[in-house]
Amino acid sequence: KAGVTQTPRYLIKTRGQQVTLSCSPISGHRSVSWYQQTPGQGLQFLFEYFSETQRNKGNFPGRFSGRQFSNSRSEMNVSTLELGDSALYLCASSKNTAGGYGYTFGSGTRLTVV
Amino acid sequence: DQQVKQNSPSLSVQEGRISILNCDYTNSMFDYFLWYKKYPAEGPTFLISISSIKDKNEDGRFTVFLNKSAKHLSLHIVPSQPGDSAVYFCAASGGAAGNKLTFGGGTRVLVKP
Repeated sequence: KAGVTQTPRYLIKTRGQQVTLSCSPISGHRSVSWYQQTPGQGLQFLFEYFSETQRNKGNFPGRFSGRQFSNSRSEMNVSTLELGDSALYLCASSKNTAGGYGYTFGSGTRLTVV
Repeated sequence: DQQVKQNSPSLSVQEGRISILNCDYTNSMFDYFLWYKKYPAEGPTFLISISSIKDKNEDGRFTVFLNKSAKHLSLHIVPSQPGDSAVYFCAASGGAAGNKLTFGGGTRVLVKP
């Protein structure tokens, strides 16, 4: 079966611009979470969506937002990009939301802000 | 406040020997712990997990041990293989954190042939 698909794989943006990243979860998975990986901060939780509702949110500024559609696909948006937003953005999906077990990660979107 | 820590950034081991990766946590409300393996330019891959009601879980070459009183867990890989060379992350969830995964900083493992 198809895994978690993230698009695009690579992206270069200029400071001040905005960006939208997309995540298609595994079929049947209703929970989608987003994580940011940077060399300095490691892997940090951004937010989690389940059945189109945000269930949990990490400690990121309001420039970071997300949404989930009725087909469980999710998008995250970063507005007014800063150099520090350069990171690997990972999406993970799960059939349920119990304990983080069963999360499958996508290959990520590498965002570079110049 | 780093709630999950992996104090060894790297580990080098000979093929066939045991790899032991360590992880410490501070939040006693965590009730589920997981290990992920990550190759460059790929997402983390789930390896093994353990619930806080257990102290050991085994899956093939991978065994995870949990010491709740010490707030410490470890991953044993026996025997280590060159394909195990990757970055390993421990993660925790539960309590007020809900289902979000709190990750450690990772340990880079190099298995030498």
